Amino acid sequence: DAGVIQSPRHEVTEMGQEVTLRCKPISGHDYLFWYRQTMMRGLELLIYFNNNVPIDDSGMPEDRFSAKMPNASFSTLKIQPSEPRDSAVYFCASSSTGGNGYEQYFGPGTRLTVT
Amino acid sequence: QKEVEQNSGPLSVPEGAIASLNCTYSDRGSQSFFWYRQYSGKSPELIMFIYSNGDKEDGRFTAQLNKASQYVSLLIRDSQPSDSATYLCAVNPRFYNTDKLIFGTGTRLQVFP
Repeated sequence: DAGVIQSPRHEVTEMGQEVTLRCKPISGHDYLFWYRQTMMRGLELLIYFNNNVPIDDSGMPEDRFSAKMPNASFSTLKIQPSEPRDSAVYFCASSSTGGNGYEQYFGPGTRLTVT
Repeated sequence: QKEVEQNSGPLSVPEGAIASLNCTYSDRGSQSFFWYRQYSGKSPELIMFIYSNGDKEDGRFTAQLNKASQYVSLLIRDSQPSDSATYLCAVNPRFYNTDKLIFGTGTRLQVFP
C-alpha cells in the first residue's frame, strides 16, 4: 500500500493568496483527518470526515479555512486568504475503525510558509 | 487545564538506559490511549496503544495505564540513539462520543551514546 499521500510537500505563498492542500487516504479507510502542527500549539485536529461526510469541524480556526471530501479517495483543505500565522505543517491521516480508538496513519505532511 | 499534558523535555538518557515518558489526561471517561513517535521533519507513527489498566509490552516498549490517576506512560528499555525523537501521547475522549484523538504537545527524547 502506498500509504497516505499528500501534495504538495512544500508550499510557499504570499499573504492573501489561496492555498489548496490535497490528500489521498489509504484505500479502504473510511475516516480522514486534517491536522495542523506548530511548535507552539503542537498537533491540532482541524476537521475529520467519516465516509466522506464532515463529522467535526470545531478545530477549523476560522472561515478562511474550508475542507471537502468529494469521494473516498480525495480530500482538500483550502485556505483563502492565507495569512503568515497559517504557516505550519499540515498533516492528513486516515483510519479504518471507530468507536473506542484506532490507529491513524499519517501522510508525510505539507509544510506551508506564508510570507 | 490542557486535555492531554506532557512534559516537553528534552529528556536526555544514556544509551542502554530506560527512558520513561509520562502523560496525564483530564477526561476521566477516556477509553483508549496511544503513543506516537515523530522523528524530526517526519510524520507521527503509532508505536503502542493501550485500553486496559496495567502494563502492555511490545519489544523494548512498555505502555502503562492507570485510569484512576488518569496517567499513562511509555517505558523504553535499552534506549538507542535511534530512539531519539518526539513522543506524542494521544487520547480518545469517549465522553465526547467522537472518533477523534486529542494529542499532547509531545516529549522530546534524546539518547546519547
